[in-house]
Amino acid sequence: EVQLLESGGGLVQPGGSLRLSCAASGFTFSSYAIFWVRQAPGKGLEWVSTISGSGGNTYYADSVKGRFTISRDNSKNTLYLQMNSLRAEDTAIYYCAKRYCTSGSCHFDYWGQGTLVTVSS
Amino acid sequence: DIQMTQSPSSLSASVGDRVTITCRASQGISNYLAWYQQKPGKVPKVLIYAASTLQSGVPSRFSGSGSGTDFTLTISSLQPEDVATYYCHKYNSAPYTFGQGTKLEIK
Repeated sequence: EVQLLESGGGLVQPGGSLRLSCAASGFTFSSYAIFWVRQAPGKGLEWVSTISGSGGNTYYADSVKGRFTISRDNSKNTLYLQMNSLRAEDTAIYYCAKRYCTSGSCHFDYWGQGTLVTVSS
Repeated sequence: DIQMTQSPSSLSASVGDRVTITCRASQGISNYLAWYQQKPGKVPKVLIYAASTLQSGVPSRFSGSGSGTDFTLTISSLQPEDVATYYCHKYNSAPYTFGQGTKLEIK
């Protein structure tokens, strides 16, 4: 059974840092790109960052570029999101999502339950 | 960057109605588009990918169409369990933008 389990969320002051983790199981972790997607309270989905299966390619939304760093440890089946210089507008539930692709068509087939990050003084 | 614009942002319809949600890309994305359904308090669930391919297990009343810049998600006969927010998502290349969402309610 595929599982994605986020952790590391919490309350942090503006300008602070947090590191989120996403522990994966039930599939060959290194074979899949994994995404971070966030959702501010009462708002829509926002793509945050993506890392390829090998970890060699990373992508970021402009809103987090230069502040967030995505990484993965394929030996531990774990994805990370290091978040620095946090702002109030980063307050959201952060989801990790596994991307499945077949014949060039992709979608998120599994999502974690999310971890809440609150940036407030 | 390519923007994804959904319309309407919300709609209210009656059980049995045909419902259509539109997603427009600011530049062509071929058919690299998926639709997700998010029910309150739940994680998103894929309905459609490759613009028109129905995900296994999704009721056949859901369908998708379009290519290039204009896409639609159609529910042929609205059911009470379809109350949710629907998002389109481009996945051809970064930035992997979502539409802003369409909140669907029962009248």
